[in-house]
Amino acid sequence: EVQLLESGGGLVQPGGSLRLSCVASGFTFRSYAMSWVRQAPGKGLEWVSVISDSGTNTYYADSVKGRFTISRDISKNTLYLQLKSLRADDTAVYYCARGEAVAATHFDYWGQGTLVSVSS
Amino acid sequence: QFALTQSPSASASLGASVRLTCTLNSEYSNYAIAWHQHRPEKGPRFLMKLNGDGSHIKGDGIPDRFSGSSSGAERYLTISSLQPEDEADYYCQTWGTGTPYVFGTGTKVTVL
Repeated sequence: EVQLLESGGGLVQPGGSLRLSCVASGFTFRSYAMSWVRQAPGKGLEWVSVISDSGTNTYYADSVKGRFTISRDISKNTLYLQLKSLRADDTAVYYCARGEAVAATHFDYWGQGTLVSVSS
Repeated sequence: QFALTQSPSASASLGASVRLTCTLNSEYSNYAIAWHQHRPEKGPRFLMKLNGDGSHIKGDGIPDRFSGSSSGAERYLTISSLQPEDEADYYCQTWGTGTPYVFGTGTKVTVL
């Protein structure tokens, strides 16, 4: 059974940093692209970042470019998102999602999410 | 700028059917999309990948009550025999249109 379990969320002050983790199980982690998607309170889903299966290629939404860094540790079956220079509008539930196997055209499994609150 | 347009809300009675629409920009009318269900306090769930010709591939364990179809730039998700657990937000999503992934604005489905 495919499982994605996020952690690392919490309350942080504006300008602060946080690192989110997503532990994957039930599939060959190194074979899939992985993404982070977030949902701000009362808003819809927003794609944040993607990392290729090899970890070589990464892409970011304009809203987080230069502030967030996606990475993965194959040995630990874990996906990360380093959040820096956090702003109030980064407050959201952050989900990790697996990219579909062939071309990562869509997300075929999702985690339960971890809440990041940015407030003074 | 690429956008996926969805109606904000839809409702139908228990046991009835409801059809949700996701509209692509006309220049992307042949694009495939994916549908995702997002129940309150849960992680999203992949429902299906829907191609421009209406063919679709469902996610693991998705009931037959969920089906997809296409017409021009519109992509549809039909939920038949509505159940209480179908009350959720439904998002369409596409890829490779300037930004790697784009979500629609979402449709909130209420089961009456």
